[in-house]
Amino acid sequence: GAVVSQHPSRVICKSGTSVKIECRSLDFQATTMFWYRQFPKQSLMLMATSNEGSKATYEQGVEKDKFLINHASLTLSTLTVTSAHPEDSSFYICSAVQRTSTSGTDTQYFGPGTRLTVL
Amino acid sequence: GENVEQHPSTLSVQEGDSAVIKCTYSDSASNYFPWYKQELGKGPQLIIDIRSNVGEKKDQRIAVTLNKTAKHFSLHITETQPEDSAVYFCAATYGNNRLAFGKGNQVVVIP
Repeated sequence: GAVVSQHPSRVICKSGTSVKIECRSLDFQATTMFWYRQFPKQSLMLMATSNEGSKATYEQGVEKDKFLINHASLTLSTLTVTSAHPEDSSFYICSAVQRTSTSGTDTQYFGPGTRLTVL
Repeated sequence: GENVEQHPSTLSVQEGDSAVIKCTYSDSASNYFPWYKQELGKGPQLIIDIRSNVGEKKDQRIAVTLNKTAKHFSLHITETQPEDSAVYFCAATYGNNRLAFGKGNQVVVIP
């Protein structure tokens, strides 16, 4: 159980175009999902928290108008990189929170990632 | 916010030996500490986690220990195998289920 998928796994686009990445929790419902970005040989950097039915919460320094997040249902969150530029090229990873108990911290499961290359 | 430090940055071990990775955290309110394994080009995979109400947890060849007083936790891998070669990340929670990650540790198991 606790499987998270992402689509597409890899995308190449031209500078100035927009790219949408989907994150799905396949066997559980997730009221909260997170979006991360990872550059080569570096750690995961949290970009934003995606909450079902409400606006996303962005980390300091992340442009909310550039990285649009929509959490349309309890199993789907999307990240749209608008007007992409070469510096946006990165590995984008989502995670979904599975509630494991009524108290305490829930468990975060990650998707396989999406490799974005902007030419 | 939470600051997680992880060391060593790289670790090479002979197959069959044990590997230990240590992490420290700064926020005393953190109560959940997962470990993730990431292979090249893939997303992080949860391998073990520990909550603040216990000091040790074991799952086959993998174990995690937690010292809340000293604010550090460690991953122990015994009888290492070549397939254990990967980057390992420790993390700690802060504010609304968010995770702060360490910088990662490249483990290389030498056959």
